[in-house]
Amino acid sequence: EADIYQTPRYLVIGTGKKITLECSQTMGHDKMYWYQQDPGMELHLIHYSYGVNSTEKGDLSSESTVSRIRTEHFPLTLESARPSHTSQYLCASSEYKGSSYEQYFGPGTRLTVT
Amino acid sequence: DAKTTQPTSMDCAEGRAANLPCNHSTISGNEYVYWYRQIHSQGPQYIIHGLKNNETNEMASLIITEDRKSSTLILPHATLRDTAVYYCIVRADNYGQNFVFGPGTRLSVLP
Repeated sequence: EADIYQTPRYLVIGTGKKITLECSQTMGHDKMYWYQQDPGMELHLIHYSYGVNSTEKGDLSSESTVSRIRTEHFPLTLESARPSHTSQYLCASSEYKGSSYEQYFGPGTRLTVT
Repeated sequence: DAKTTQPTSMDCAEGRAANLPCNHSTISGNEYVYWYRQIHSQGPQYIIHGLKNNETNEMASLIITEDRKSSTLILPHATLRDTAVYYCIVRADNYGQNFVFGPGTRLSVLP
């Protein structure tokens, strides 16, 4: 069982609000990721981090920002939420072990912006 | 990373083996084949991975063809809880590579 947590699990918020989605892992993994997934659609990588003070944009352009001040914590922030941000956000972490590179996913945050 | 091709959907009777194919004809020599599954919009779950030899674990078996251009994930005795979207991903095992999730195969296990 992977130890990666996301809060909140569900969030309904009005347009223009600032929100932060939390992601924490207790496995000491260096690499962490944020994916965005609309219902029934593919996962798209929006941000990732190689370690503390490292953040990179993913394949899908996103108006969100991330930070990595501590190894275990990788929060995602939307400065001004819009209905187009309504989606599921999945956090993941991984550790490179030579021949094994498993990603462990959190349960996700389902965001609805009204 | 090499692109993969999977059927959009498949059905399988409960208790029977589910065989999920994946085509990765442009795979490179240093690229592994990974399988993940996602149950009802939960976070994806790792199943198995391999390079060129067949692999088996408590969840599934992975059969990779000799030319490595295709593979099959086998769930030996499918249950209703195996209903999920199954993703086949090909990636090189180096630190700079990310996983690219395609549309996957939606497997429905029928009672």
